[in-house]
Amino acid sequence: NAGVTQTPKFQVLKTGQSMTLQCAQDMNHNSMYWYRQDPGMGLRLIYYSASEGTTDKGEVPNGYNVSRLNKREFSLRLESAAPSQTSVYFCASSARTATDTQYFGPGTRLTVL
Amino acid sequence: AQSVAQPEDQVNVAEGNPLTVKCTYSVSGNPYLFWYVQYPNRGLQFLLKYITGDNLVKGSYGFEAEFNKSQTSFHLKKPSALVSDSALYFCAVRDPQGNNRLAFGKGNQVVVIP
Repeated sequence: NAGVTQTPKFQVLKTGQSMTLQCAQDMNHNSMYWYRQDPGMGLRLIYYSASEGTTDKGEVPNGYNVSRLNKREFSLRLESAAPSQTSVYFCASSARTATDTQYFGPGTRLTVL
Repeated sequence: AQSVAQPEDQVNVAEGNPLTVKCTYSVSGNPYLFWYVQYPNRGLQFLLKYITGDNLVKGSYGFEAEFNKSQTSFHLKKPSALVSDSALYFCAVRDPQGNNRLAFGKGNQVVVIP
């Protein structure tokens, strides 16, 4: 039981390049989330998917797109990377309801030059 | 909208002394509150949560937290800190009246001094 996995672990991009961050969970969770972590700012929600087939914007969605490929997988895409998107990205999942705990992946450290 | 405040950037404590990490929240209705810990270069690990019931919640690694509705606080505590408790601690709140998203505080760096 791997929990939440993310690929890649590290990535360096040049401004304007695109990439997709992958996330998968094996806990049969319904809800999945993408956060970014920046020093002194805690975690901010980018997008989330309450259930398979639905996605919604979070606090900082600009410059990102997501796809809930199936129940297990939720990807985050940067179409044209900018230095302001340099951050650590975390994927999380939870069962369904508001009382359910979110479980986090190990993170992807992204640097945009 | 819900929000969380963690007023101290860093908490220094001697090994063996009590550890307290402070958290206050703002939310409409009754809150669902969570504490997570992050070790260097790792993802967040769940410690404990308050949903309803007893105001004192016990969690992993000897941590506990006390929900205080009148003070809108949910402070994390450990009676005797270990060097291995040195990490970044996040408080989070979910508003059950609104959406189900978590709002995180900025985090507290805890340094346990041997």
